[in-house]
Amino acid sequence: DVKVTQSSRYLVKRTGEKVFLECVQDMDHENMFWYRQDPGLGLRLIYFSYDVKMKEKGDIPEGYSVSREKKERFSLILESASTNQTSMYLCASSFKTTEAFFGQGTRLTVV
Amino acid sequence: QQQVKQSPQSLIVQKGGISIINCAYENTAFDYFPWYQQFPGKGPALLIAIRPDVSEKKEGRFTISFNKSAKQFSLHIMDSQPGDSATYFCAARVLTTGTASKLTFGTGTRLQVTL
Repeated sequence: DVKVTQSSRYLVKRTGEKVFLECVQDMDHENMFWYRQDPGLGLRLIYFSYDVKMKEKGDIPEGYSVSREKKERFSLILESASTNQTSMYLCASSFKTTEAFFGQGTRLTVV
Repeated sequence: QQQVKQSPQSLIVQKGGISIINCAYENTAFDYFPWYQQFPGKGPALLIAIRPDVSEKKEGRFTISFNKSAKQFSLHIMDSQPGDSATYFCAARVLTTGTASKLTFGTGTRLQVTL
């Protein structure tokens, strides 16, 4: 079974903190994605990566950055967390153009 | 702007009934249309998918109907069961760089199947 593992299920951070969300996949997938999920807005793509050290902006990249130093690991970084970044964050991976597999999500609360 | 529009936002269906969720898109570059199912506390998981050269795809109780000219597609759940209660997302895929691709999701439909 494909496994996409997000390092934390729940996180509470203070406004202005630098936050790291980590994601690891075990299927040697080229593509990795970060989405945020908000009620009534669905899943919105923040950033994605199609190879090590390669990244592209998604639909809502403002306030976020990413890092992909190894193929299996994709990190989402909130440089200075704000309350409007309180959300559920979902990581996904896929092999080329095939099915995307999702992790269980990290519920981030910024206070 | 919402590139994939999904309706309804929520749906209540009696056990044994038919659940219907609709999606519409604008971007003709989309080449693949999956539906994802999400249970509380879990990430979304692929349920069924269709390519635009096919008008219908059926897998068990789940059917996708696709209307390319209208740029619309829908999910039908026949004989709906309480275990189908979940949030359903339609999505559309577009190729990006090389062989990479990304999915654009609808806003989701929360389905509740009652006894």
